[in-house]
Amino acid sequence: SQQGEEDPQALSIQEGENATMNCSYKTSINNLQWYRQNSGRGLVHLILIRSNEREKHSGRLRVTLDTSKKSSSLLITASRAADTASYFCATDANDYKLSFGAGTTVTVRA
Amino acid sequence: KAGVTQTPRYLIKTRGQQVTLSCSPISGHRSVSWYQQTPGQGLQFLFEYFSETQRNKGNFPGRFSGRQFSNSRSEMNVSTLELGDSALYLCASSLEGGEKLFFGSGTQLSVL
Repeated sequence: SQQGEEDPQALSIQEGENATMNCSYKTSINNLQWYRQNSGRGLVHLILIRSNEREKHSGRLRVTLDTSKKSSSLLITASRAADTASYFCATDANDYKLSFGAGTTVTVRA
Repeated sequence: KAGVTQTPRYLIKTRGQQVTLSCSPISGHRSVSWYQQTPGQGLQFLFEYFSETQRNKGNFPGRFSGRQFSNSRSEMNVSTLELGDSALYLCASSLEGGEKLFFGSGTQLSVL
């Protein structure tokens, strides 16, 4: 079973627009991470936010975390064609495993 | 620095056979995790090893097993393959486990 749910399942945007996706989870966490996957290949780590943090930035990425609502959001600004991928949130409950959400498929149109 | 290497990249087996997948982590990483990815179930955790010890195991039948060697390389084995075992099997390594995993490209297993 998966810890988190992501919303929306799919997203199509124009190049240059922003993309926002949300993740909800069920149990207490140590940290929450976001990963990107291109066409069924391996996942690439994007950003990690700890349970005592509320917001984090990395380049064009902005992540927020609301532990009271057990939710997180990932914002990609000024999207590019290369951002076309599936994005997954993953939670770490300090038990040596990550629990992944179902993912959001993002398509950036030129 | 070389990334996580998984072999083979593709594998075709028939029901009832067994299979062994291999994973070489990034040099210096002692934690290796395995995940199964399918369109229907998404990414499911199989197990995690650290310094040759299994620290956590997912909800998979006993047909799925793994091990880690002293050089941190890991293998997973699936015995008596079933059609439902067809999936992308992903290995990931990290320094201590739980944070920032580095994934390999995966082994695509097809069971016929």
